[in-house]
Amino acid sequence: QQQVKQSPQSLIVQKGGISIINCAYENTAFDYFPWYQQFPGKGPALLIAIRPDVSEKKEGRFTISFNKSAKQFSLHIMDSQPGDSATYFCAASISGNQFYFGTGTSLTVIP
Amino acid sequence: DAGVTQSPTHLIKTRGQQVTLRCSPKSGHDTVSWYQQALGQGPQFIFQYYEEEERQRGNFPDRFSGHQFPNYSSELNVNALLLGDSALYLCASSLWETVAFFGQGTRLTVV
Repeated sequence: QQQVKQSPQSLIVQKGGISIINCAYENTAFDYFPWYQQFPGKGPALLIAIRPDVSEKKEGRFTISFNKSAKQFSLHIMDSQPGDSATYFCAASISGNQFYFGTGTSLTVIP
Repeated sequence: DAGVTQSPTHLIKTRGQQVTLRCSPKSGHDTVSWYQQALGQGPQFIFQYYEEEERQRGNFPDRFSGHQFPNYSSELNVNALLLGDSALYLCASSLWETVAFFGQGTRLTVV
């Protein structure tokens, strides 16, 4: 059973546009929600993370929106750049222990 | 400050053989987790080590075993390799409930 469901599977965005990736979870015990960026042949790199006591967190061009009642969270990439082309994974954990990852979103930013 | 380092980067083994992968955590981190990432999928949790003991285990068979040393480094051992064990094996380190940082991974190919 997939603990964290991620959509879309792939996304194509024009340079300068907004990329939006969505995730949903069921386990209300999750208390930490990170997003990871992964380039081919590399390990996942932490992008931004949020805890359920806040509804939004922004770091540069990256924003997480969190809806606790709907058990959903999303990543917004503003002013998307070709260098942002990568696979993005959402994840959830309880107290930073085992991470449950989504299935990933392949983002392509067209120049 | 070196991040999480894994060795080797690539490995080719024959079905039925045994393999050992190594991980050195980020400086100051005391918890090491191992993940298996099949091609096109999100990482799947194998197990986590803390204070030289396995603290949590995912849904992986006993062929997968590990060890953590007093200096917090860790090994992942896989016995009786199957073709389906071919994947990117990722090590993540953390310091109790803080952010998990991933290494570059070891690409294991079983032929």
